[in-house]
Amino acid sequence: EVQLVESGGGLVKPGGSLRLSCAASGFTFSSAWMSWVRRAPGKGLEWVGRISTKSDHATTHYAAPVKGRFTISRDDSENTLNLEMNSLKTEDTAVYYCVTDYWGSFNHWGQGTLVTVSS
Amino acid sequence: DIVMTQSPDSLAVSLGERATINCKSSQSVLYSSNNKNNLAWYQQKPGQPPKLLIYWASTRESGVPDRFSGSGSGTDFALTISSLQAEDVAVYYCQQHYGSPFTFGPGTKVDIK
Repeated sequence: EVQLVESGGGLVKPGGSLRLSCAASGFTFSSAWMSWVRRAPGKGLEWVGRISTKSDHATTHYAAPVKGRFTISRDDSENTLNLEMNSLKTEDTAVYYCVTDYWGSFNHWGQGTLVTVSS
Repeated sequence: DIVMTQSPDSLAVSLGERATINCKSSQSVLYSSNNKNNLAWYQQKPGQPPKLLIYWASTRESGVPDRFSGSGSGTDFALTISSLQAEDVAVYYCQQHYGSPFTFGPGTKVDIK
């Protein structure tokens, strides 16, 4: 059974940093493209960014609102996906989901971790 | 960026009746190389993560009941629930997976009348 478990969320001040992690199991993580998707309170779903497999050079792409501030990485030896978030803004407040990325559709989701950016 | 719109914003349907949600993309999401429409549908219930129902516009994800079906091509798509069940109360989102940035529609809330 595919399992994705996010961790690392919490309360952070504007301008601060946070690192989210996602522990993956139940599938061959090293062969999977992965993405992060978020949902701000009272709003819809927003794709954050993705990372390809190492065999595809672990290429990353990001949504415009987070480009230059967020970094996605992967550790295939630990079956872990990471999201490093810097220069956080209040509008980054959201539940962040780790997802498997199948040709850009998201077929498995974690339960999500809440990030609150507030002074 | 491809902008996704959905209609209606919400709908209430009697148990056992048909529910149809429409989705429109600002440009075609049809890959000419494989003739596949890169459009997905998700269901999200309160307190739960979204669940993939349909991808490539009409391919049902494994385990999804066959009362859910997707149709359409190019820029106009629909999700149909053929016989609404109580457990189908949720918000439904369409999403284009044609190209980055991947974008979602605003969602349609489905309730029981």
